Amino acid sequence: DGGITQSPKYLFRKEGQNVTLSCEQNLNHDAMYWYRQDPGQGLRLIYYSQIVNDFQKGDIAEGYSVSREKKESFPLTVTSAQKNPTAFYLCASSMPGRNSPLHFGNGTRLTVT
Amino acid sequence: AQSVTQLDSQVPVFEEAPVELRCNYSSSVSVYLFWYVQYPNQGLQLLLKYLSGSTLVKGINGFEAEFNKSQTSFHLRKPSVHISDTAEYFCAVTTLQGNLIFGKGTKLSVKP
Repeated sequence: DGGITQSPKYLFRKEGQNVTLSCEQNLNHDAMYWYRQDPGQGLRLIYYSQIVNDFQKGDIAEGYSVSREKKESFPLTVTSAQKNPTAFYLCASSMPGRNSPLHFGNGTRLTVT
Repeated sequence: AQSVTQLDSQVPVFEEAPVELRCNYSSSVSVYLFWYVQYPNQGLQLLLKYLSGSTLVKGINGFEAEFNKSQTSFHLRKPSVHISDTAEYFCAVTTLQGNLIFGKGTKLSVKP
């Protein structure tokens, strides 16, 4: 079955460490996205990529970095510069076009202490 | 710029009662609107979408939504809810760049 795989489901890190969240899709979608979800805040866009080797900052990109070396993969690194990294992170993908819905992975819950 | 407002953060309702979850949007370009559902500790699942045409859109699990351009609304409705409908629901609008902007969500709690 086609879909989006995020791993791991739960991730724990110490403050000051960088951590990379994995996102892989086999839907053959061109566009991929990273959102952050906090209780009562909805989803906020961190980074998105419309094509391989290209990506753009979203609304809350500070303290995060991404790469898009392959169509199937869009890893997100949460750096030590991110002031409040503890959150639920969701990866999504879509076909090109404003009318294409997003398909979501099941998320990674990151806890930094 | 586009934005989405979900007017209720929580909606409690009894099983088999009707429910309406409210969503208002603002957009300076033609709109594409979506409703997603999220069960605890999971990703979001598409319920329905409005792209063009009929203003009444039917989705999965018996949900429907009506696009009202004059009131800039896209409210979600279900005539009779089940316990299994307990979840958080998100309204979203597409930006000019093709991303989605989400509302802050409405938690639907269905009680027996």
